[in-house]
Amino acid sequence: KNEVEQSPQNLTAQEGEFITINCSYSVGISALHWLQQHPGGGIVSLFMLSSGKKKHGRLIATINIQEKHSSLHITASHPRDSAVYICAVTLFNFGNEKLTFGTGTRLTIIP
Amino acid sequence: NAGVTQTPKFQVLKTGQSMTLQCAQDMNHNSMYWYRQDPGMGLRLIYYSASEGTTDKGEVPNGYNVSRLNKREFSLRLESAAPSQTSVYFCASREGTSRETQYFGPGTRLLVL
Repeated sequence: KNEVEQSPQNLTAQEGEFITINCSYSVGISALHWLQQHPGGGIVSLFMLSSGKKKHGRLIATINIQEKHSSLHITASHPRDSAVYICAVTLFNFGNEKLTFGTGTRLTIIP
Repeated sequence: NAGVTQTPKFQVLKTGQSMTLQCAQDMNHNSMYWYRQDPGMGLRLIYYSASEGTTDKGEVPNGYNVSRLNKREFSLRLESAAPSQTSVYFCASREGTSRETQYFGPGTRLLVL
């Protein structure tokens, strides 16, 4: 079983819809990251969370440490949001240096 | 700032050939990483360097070697390429701790025939 599970694997939505991508993890973590990978392949870090909630523009990330769960929300989605969104965690049992990644959620926003 | 740069962008090798993937960062980061990305799998750590002069194995180190040449540069070497090493390779860096943002290079697409 993967230590980081994302759902859904694929998501297609109409422009303007509210999007939620979920990430669950099975062990204790020191930090959780949300990354975005565009069709061209480049990977960009969106958020780093250790508790609570963060917001950047139309993107919101939340984490519930007790439930070992995080969500990434996109409000007023736009075709340029089409990308693969990746959840990654730093596990306590791997020390502070290594990230463990989910397999990603492929988001497609249709105009 | 260029951020994290990687060369080459694309490479085709024959089985048994060797090559070195180059990575450099200009953000004065202590930690650098090499990952591979394969379809249907998450990014997997090959090797990392927590600071200049140190390197450690990650999840999938077999068939690879690394060199942290200085604080800026971290290279990945395939001594005898195998088809199973066909993948997209990403270099990344961050300041140091797990609570810092990790910055990724543009990737190197490697095809081993």
